[in-house]
Formats: sequence, structure tokens, C-alpha cells
Amino acid sequence: AQSVAQPEDQVNVAEGNPLTVKCTYSVSGNPYLFWYVQYPNRGLQFLLKYITGDNLVKGSYGFEAEFNKSQTSFHLKKPSALVSDSALYFCAVRGINNAGNMLTFGGGTRLMVKP
Amino acid sequence: GAVVSQHPSWVICKSGTSVKIECRSLDFQATTMFWYRQFPKQSLMLMATSNEGSKATYEQGVEKDKFLINHASLTLSTLTVTSAHPEDSSFYICSAPPQGARELRAAKNIQYFGAGTRLSVL
Repeated sequence: AQSVAQPEDQVNVAEGNPLTVKCTYSVSGNPYLFWYVQYPNRGLQFLLKYITGDNLVKGSYGFEAEFNKSQTSFHLKKPSALVSDSALYFCAVRGINNAGNMLTFGGGTRLMVKP
Repeated sequence: GAVVSQHPSWVICKSGTSVKIECRSLDFQATTMFWYRQFPKQSLMLMATSNEGSKATYEQGVEKDKFLINHASLTLSTLTVTSAHPEDSSFYICSAPPQGARELRAAKNIQYFGAGTRLSVL
């Protein structure tokens, strides 16, 4: 079975400061890893993914994430936070052998960026 | 890019009535679609996997007779909340991942989500 853990329910950061949203995963074999963002009353928007290749993945809106196989982590980062980044962030994993392409989501982390 | 359309975005209904939510893949075929439920400030909970031309697969604890799923075509899946009650009030989101090696390569393994439906049962 595959699982995802986001240990922080909420992350608070001041605008202009770097931010990190943590994610660890468990899956058989090599993982496909994703970050999605959700704004109030909206569906999920894709931010970035890791499939293979470079461990540092760059995505939308200046976000990036680093895949660390030994630590089974895929933390989301941004060098300089914006107030508009405030939203709910979900990490997700899909096993490479998951024929149904089903994603398993973490519990979500609310990011609050204050001016 | 691929788009998933979900309708309606918001529905308010009386207790005891049924509500149908549609999920459409607009520019790709989806033999499988996923239905999720999200409670306030919580993560997405997979309810069921909708399979085109066959019965849906429900997750443990999800009532099949309460949440009827029909996947009649390669681009449309519907979720009907039957005899809705206030406890069914929630945010429902569908997802349509690309299937097949060619589609997966084209979509670069991104799973697409509808915008969600907020159901409020009075």
C-alpha cells in the first residue's frame, strides 16, 4: 500500500521569506510524486511532479521540490513567499506499478503567508 | 492541455432529494475516473473508482446505494447522491487520469481534476 504524510497542518511564513512544506511517502518501487494546490472552494491545480531524472524539480509559480530517495521525502519549496501563495497544498504519490493510476494524497498543509 | 469539467459547481438541495454530479473529460478519453470527497480543512478521501462500461469500485465504508456511479461513456462519469441528508454535505471532486502508454506520455503523468462540487443539504 502507498501512503503520504504531511507532518504540518499549517505553515506560517512572512512574505518574502523562503518557505518549505514537508512531505514523506511510502510506496513499493519507484514513485511518481506530485504537488497540488487548492484555493478555497476550488479543485486541485497541478504544481509540479517528479517522475525520473533530476532530483530538483521546478514547477508553476516559482515552486520547486526536491526528491530525496534515501529519506523518502519530496518537500515543496519556494525561495520567496507571496501572500497569494496562501492556500492548501497536497502532496501525492502514485506507485509506478499502479495500473489504475490512483493517487494517494497526504492530509494537506495550509500555507499562510503574511504581509 | 487536458481539462476535466465538473458540473454543477455548487448545489443546494432539500433533505431526501437526489443530486447528480457530472464529470467530463473534455479532450481525452478516460476509461477510469476517480471520485473524491473532501471535508472542510481535510484531505481528499477516495470514494470510488468509476470504470467505463462496468461497475464502479467503491472504497471501504462508502455506501454503494447512497452514492451511485455511472460511467456510460469514455468521457462522462456521474455521481448521484441519493436521498441526500445534511451529513452528505461536502465538497466532491472528480479526477480523470490519462490511460494508456500514449496518453500517459502525452499528459506527462499528470492527473487532472475537476473544479469540484460543493453540496449543501438543508
